[in-house]
Amino acid sequence: DQQVKQNSPSLSVQEGRISILNCDYTNSMFDYFLWYKKYPAEGPTFLISISSIKDKNEDGRFTVFLNKSAKHLSLHIVPSQPGDSAVYFCAASAPRGGADGLTFGKGTHLIIQP
Amino acid sequence: GAGVSQSPSNKVTEKGKDVELRCDPISGHTALYWYRQSLGQGLEFLIYFQGNSAPDKSGLPSDRFSAERTGGSVSTLTIQRTQQEDSAVYLCASSLAEGQSQHFGDGTRLSIL
Repeated sequence: DQQVKQNSPSLSVQEGRISILNCDYTNSMFDYFLWYKKYPAEGPTFLISISSIKDKNEDGRFTVFLNKSAKHLSLHIVPSQPGDSAVYFCAASAPRGGADGLTFGKGTHLIIQP
Repeated sequence: GAGVSQSPSNKVTEKGKDVELRCDPISGHTALYWYRQSLGQGLEFLIYFQGNSAPDKSGLPSDRFSAERTGGSVSTLTIQRTQQEDSAVYLCASSLAEGQSQHFGDGTRLSIL
């Protein structure tokens, strides 16, 4: 049973517009959430994270929103740029931290159209 | 470079052979993680090291899988008697400490014929 779900396998957005990537989770023990970006043949690169004590974290063009009651988080990228085209993974961790590793979604392939 | 280094980058081997995958974490990172990504799937957590010890090995898919870390640095993931379902990209990550964001290597793409 998937504990972290990214229901959109792909998303196409026009350059300059906002990209919104969604993620849902089922494990209420998760207390830390991360977004990773992955280019082909490379490892995932950390983008931004949020602790469960917050509902928003912003870093430049990237903002992550957390809705704990809905067990939902989203990553907003604005404005979207061609270099943002990649696969984006949502990940979560529980208080046992490293002992359980990170639980990842299957990823959303973001395509930025010129 | 200063990032996580994995070798080999690609490995093709016959079913039944043993393989050893290597990970060099970022210098000074005490926590090290192994993940596997099968085709079309997200990353699946395999094992975590804090220093040289792995407190929980239950994430390893079967007893054909083993991992060790020596000197608090390099780690090897060994798969014995490989099966076709072991084909995947094996990713290693390290972090400064448990709970910090993880930095990933580029992975080893393992193909079992």
